[in-house]
Amino acid sequence: AQSVTQLDSQVPVFEEAPVELRCNYSSSVSVYLFWYVQYPNQGLQLLLKYLSGSTLVKGINGFEAEFNKSQTSFHLRKPSVHISDTAEYFCAVSGVTGFQKLVFGTGTRLLVSP
Amino acid sequence: ETGVTQSPTHLIKTRGQQVTLRCSSQSGHNTVSWYQQALGQGPQFIFQYYREEENGRGNFPPRFSGLQFPNYSSELNVNALELDDSALYLCASSLRTGSDEQFFGPGTRLTVL
Repeated sequence: AQSVTQLDSQVPVFEEAPVELRCNYSSSVSVYLFWYVQYPNQGLQLLLKYLSGSTLVKGINGFEAEFNKSQTSFHLRKPSVHISDTAEYFCAVSGVTGFQKLVFGTGTRLLVSP
Repeated sequence: ETGVTQSPTHLIKTRGQQVTLRCSSQSGHNTVSWYQQALGQGPQFIFQYYREEENGRGNFPPRFSGLQFPNYSSELNVNALELDDSALYLCASSLRTGSDEQFFGPGTRLTVL
C-alpha cells in the first residue's frame, strides 16, 4: 500500500518569487510519482511525472520536481510564480506493478499575490 | 481529439436516493477510473474498469457500483445515498499500462441533503 503526505496545506507567496511544495510518500514497492494541478471548479491536470531515469523531472508551466529515493520525497518547485499559478496542487503515487491506482495527498493550496 | 467528459455537472439528491453519474473516456483509451474528492481533500480511488470488467477497487462499500460499456464510456452508480457522499466525483481515462497518464474529466458535483 502507498500513502502520500503533503506537509503544507497552504503556501502564500508573492508573484515572481520562487516556491517549493513538499511531498513525501511511503511505499513498500517501487512507485511512479505525479503532480497534478486543480483550478477552481475544474478537474485535475497533470503537471509532471516521474517514471524512471533522471531524478529531475521538468513539467508544464515551468514547474519541475526532484525524486529523492532515500528521503522518499518528490518536491515541486518553480523559480518564479505567476498570479495564474494560484490553484490546488496534488502529489500522487502509484505502484509500478499491477493496475494503476493513484493515491493522492490532501493537497497544497498555492496562493500567489501581487 | 475529445477529452474526458462527465455528466451532469451538478446534481442535488436527498438521503436514501440513488444516483448515476456518466463519463465518456478520451478517444483511444480503454480504462476508466473513478475517484471521490470530498471538500478540502485529495481524490480517493473508488474503482477502475478495463474492457468492461472491474479491474480494482478502493475502500468503498458495495452500494458504489459501476459499469463500462463497449465504447469504454462508464457509469458510477451510488445507492442509498448518505450525507457523506456529497463530493466531487472525478472520472479519469487511460490506456492500460502502469505508467500511462490518467486524463481527468471536470467532475460531477453531488450534493446530498
